[in-house]
Amino acid sequence: GAVVSQHPSWVICKSGTSVKIECRSLDFQATTMFWYRQFPKQSLMLMATSNEGSKATYEQGVEKDKFLINHASLTLSTLTVTSAHPEDSSFYICSARDLVMPYNEQFFGPGTRLTVL
Amino acid sequence: AQSVTQLGSHVSVSEGALVLLRCNYSSSVPPYLFWYVQYPNQGLQLLLKYTSAATLVKGINGFEAEFKKSETSFHLTKPSAHMSDAAEYFCAVSEGTGGFKTIFGAGTRLFVKA
Repeated sequence: GAVVSQHPSWVICKSGTSVKIECRSLDFQATTMFWYRQFPKQSLMLMATSNEGSKATYEQGVEKDKFLINHASLTLSTLTVTSAHPEDSSFYICSARDLVMPYNEQFFGPGTRLTVL
Repeated sequence: AQSVTQLGSHVSVSEGALVLLRCNYSSSVPPYLFWYVQYPNQGLQLLLKYTSAATLVKGINGFEAEFKKSETSFHLTKPSAHMSDAAEYFCAVSEGTGGFKTIFGAGTRLFVKA
């Protein structure tokens, strides 16, 4: 149980275009989802926390207008990288948790590799 | 504020040897602590978690970790390394407050030599 999927698993786009990444909880209701960014050989950096039906809370230094997050349902959150540039190339990972899950445990998606040319 | 420090960005062991990955945390309240493993180009898989029920926590794949409050440590161990253990390992801390955010350490790359 507690499976989280991400789509696409990898994407290549041209500079200036927008890219949408989906994060789905397959067998539980994800009241909270988290979006992380991971550069090569580095740790995960929390970008934002989204609760179903409300606006996402962004971490300091993360551009809200650049990284649009929508959590419209209990099983789906999307991250849209707007007007992507090469420096946005990274590995994006989502995680999800449900309030009924104890100990703040999160379940992670497999990640999405974004390459901006 | 909570934080996590992983000592050693790289650890190399021989197959069959003891694995010890170090993690120290800082938290203003009793924390929840986690160890995750990440294989290349994949998401994170939970190895084990500390939830205050027991100080010695057993996880998957033969890993275990001991919570030591006096040392603010949560080191990960495995008695005998296997080649398949080669991966990146992350220690993480989460508090019951603060929106349930989880903070990750910098990670430790484990190499296993034949």
